[in-house]
Amino acid sequence: ETGVTQTPRHLVMGMTNKKSLKCEQHLGHNAMYWYKQSAKKPLELMFVYNFKEQTENNSVPSRFSPECPNSSHLFLHLHTLQPEDSALYLCASGERTGAGYGYTFGSGTRLTVV
Amino acid sequence: AQTVTQSQPEMSVQEAETVTLSCTYDTSENNYYLFWYKQPPSRQMILVIRQEAYKQQNATENRFSVNFQKAAKSFSLKISDSQLGDTAMYFCASYNTGNQFYFGTGTSLTVIP
Repeated sequence: ETGVTQTPRHLVMGMTNKKSLKCEQHLGHNAMYWYKQSAKKPLELMFVYNFKEQTENNSVPSRFSPECPNSSHLFLHLHTLQPEDSALYLCASGERTGAGYGYTFGSGTRLTVV
Repeated sequence: AQTVTQSQPEMSVQEAETVTLSCTYDTSENNYYLFWYKQPPSRQMILVIRQEAYKQQNATENRFSVNFQKAAKSFSLKISDSQLGDTAMYFCASYNTGNQFYFGTGTSLTVIP
């Protein structure tokens, strides 16, 4: 058990669909993150939430909409995606003031947009 | 912005042998941290080892050790006595206090029986 759980593990969606990715952490961390992982590219930070407040949006297109209802849950709502959005989406959590100890990652959602 | 470079997209090593994965980084900060993460086929990123930049002593975790050359901005990972379970993608990352993580593009390591 990693402490960070992501669902679903795999998702195939059409470009006109609406779906949501879910992330849950039981580590008592106060910061949560969404990353996009594409082949042969560095991990791309998408969103940062500290104490449920969004503190960073890395110029992510509006077709990605995050939601953080509490410090343990993080969602990524998807709508009208493009094929180039196909990737592995990773959620991570950490201590905002102690991130020098690293983040804890989930196992990701493999998203395929058709 | 910081950059992290991993120049070896793929590597392989015989079981029980030693392998070194390279990483260089670029930062103007004095206080930062460096990490190696492992991503096996299960996809979960697992922290392997971390190094605090103000510490000169190289970090070691069992079979994993680093060669931290601060002046050269180099942070290589050495895996001794390689095991089949070490087969994974390995990502080097840097972090500044109050900032964010910067990851490299990864090195795919295959341990050959």
